[in-house]
Amino acid sequence: SAVISQKPSRDICQRGTSLTIQCQVDSQVTMMFWYRQQPGQSLTLIATANQGSEATYESGFVIDKFPISRPNLTFSTLTVSNMSPEDSSIYLCSVEGGRALGSFGPGTRLTVL
Amino acid sequence: KQEVTQIPAALSVPEGENLVLNCSFTDSAIYNLQWFRQDPGKGLTSLLLIQSSQREQTSGRLNASLDKSSGRSTLYIAASQPGDSATYLCAVRPNDYKLSFGAGTTVTVRA
Repeated sequence: SAVISQKPSRDICQRGTSLTIQCQVDSQVTMMFWYRQQPGQSLTLIATANQGSEATYESGFVIDKFPISRPNLTFSTLTVSNMSPEDSSIYLCSVEGGRALGSFGPGTRLTVL
Repeated sequence: KQEVTQIPAALSVPEGENLVLNCSFTDSAIYNLQWFRQDPGKGLTSLLLIQSSQREQTSGRLNASLDKSSGRSTLYIAASQPGDSATYLCAVRPNDYKLSFGAGTTVTVRA
């Protein structure tokens, strides 16, 4: 299976600031996704990161709040913009295709004060 | 919209007992179903993946069954150990690969 790393692993941020989370895969993958897990909740899909084009967002998520980049087949970033305490969550990237099937990164634990 | 339900929400058993975790889903048009384990504050570890054409999948002490027509899957963990304590998540995957997750079953195995 694919090996996925995320940076940072955790962060504590102030309200109104932005944080960019990186997801790196050790092999080329067809699809990359970003999920959010709010405290005590299950995972919710934020968007599909499309290589070379704009991400596809799920209902309730917008590009201005969660801009996503995917410059190549092994890397993606998710930015959480203008953060509020409600954005405190674990953010996980997931990949499909190639050697990956339902492989998840270790997650980024975000706390917004 | 796919809805995934996991029952029970929490389970506490003595060491050595077998575990039975249930997952149901509303839309049977799935590509496959996957069971994950999540330790507190951590990411997800894939346990088993069952293709829609399969009835069950086994790995060591873990066995997962799938009844696609009735929208059900069951994860069995034999001879539980304290190290099995975690939250277990069921996720269904449609053709577009966007996973829909259940809320999870939190398992505690008492030594």
